[in-house]
Amino acid sequence: SAVISQKPSRDICQRGTSLTIQCQVDSQVTMMFWYRQQPGQSLTLIATANQGSEATYESGFVIDKFPISRPNLTFSTLTVSNMSPEDSSIYLCSVGIAVGEKLFFGSGTQLSVL
Amino acid sequence: GESVGLHLPTLSVQEGDNSIINCAYSNSASDYFIWYKQESGKGPQFIIDIRSNMDKRQGQRVTVLLNKTVKHLSLQIAATQPGDSAVYFCAENFAGRRALTFGSGTRLQVQP
Repeated sequence: SAVISQKPSRDICQRGTSLTIQCQVDSQVTMMFWYRQQPGQSLTLIATANQGSEATYESGFVIDKFPISRPNLTFSTLTVSNMSPEDSSIYLCSVGIAVGEKLFFGSGTQLSVL
Repeated sequence: GESVGLHLPTLSVQEGDNSIINCAYSNSASDYFIWYKQESGKGPQFIIDIRSNMDKRQGQRVTVLLNKTVKHLSLQIAATQPGDSAVYFCAENFAGRRALTFGSGTRLQVQP
């Protein structure tokens, strides 16, 4: 398994500003992912954070809105840029130990945009 | 975390009863399935998984059933306890894909 620490756990932000969410893992992992969970909804994959290269984004998500960094095998950040109330969601970092296996999740960042 | 589960279908059971949570998936290429439990303010926690070469797998108080013919997955919880109250998600994957695709979720409420 993996222990994942996410910061901040929650934040309230003004529209038009940006927030960077940090994800720290207690071991080196190849696969890191960022998910969004809108209020009352399931989890939707935003992107795969690739170490040493640009993130791979899912349909409907773009780098300008959700820039991602992955400087090493234990850390990643997701920035939510130019926020609007529609960005109010829980943002979750997850990691995989092996391809085709379960993912482990952080506790998430509860973001509210006013 | 309070916003999790507000609009999801809800299953309400009495403490001590068995619970059955269902999930339909659409990708016939999916060959790996997982159930997660998400409590308020927390990220999803792994419960149990099953591969497509099986139709049943049992854990501690939980059983997952897979029906590939109708693309249906279920989670059975025996002797449901108040601590089982949470939102439950199924997730699927297929060979070569690293991330999981999540189903819509069900909120389980256990009445004492």
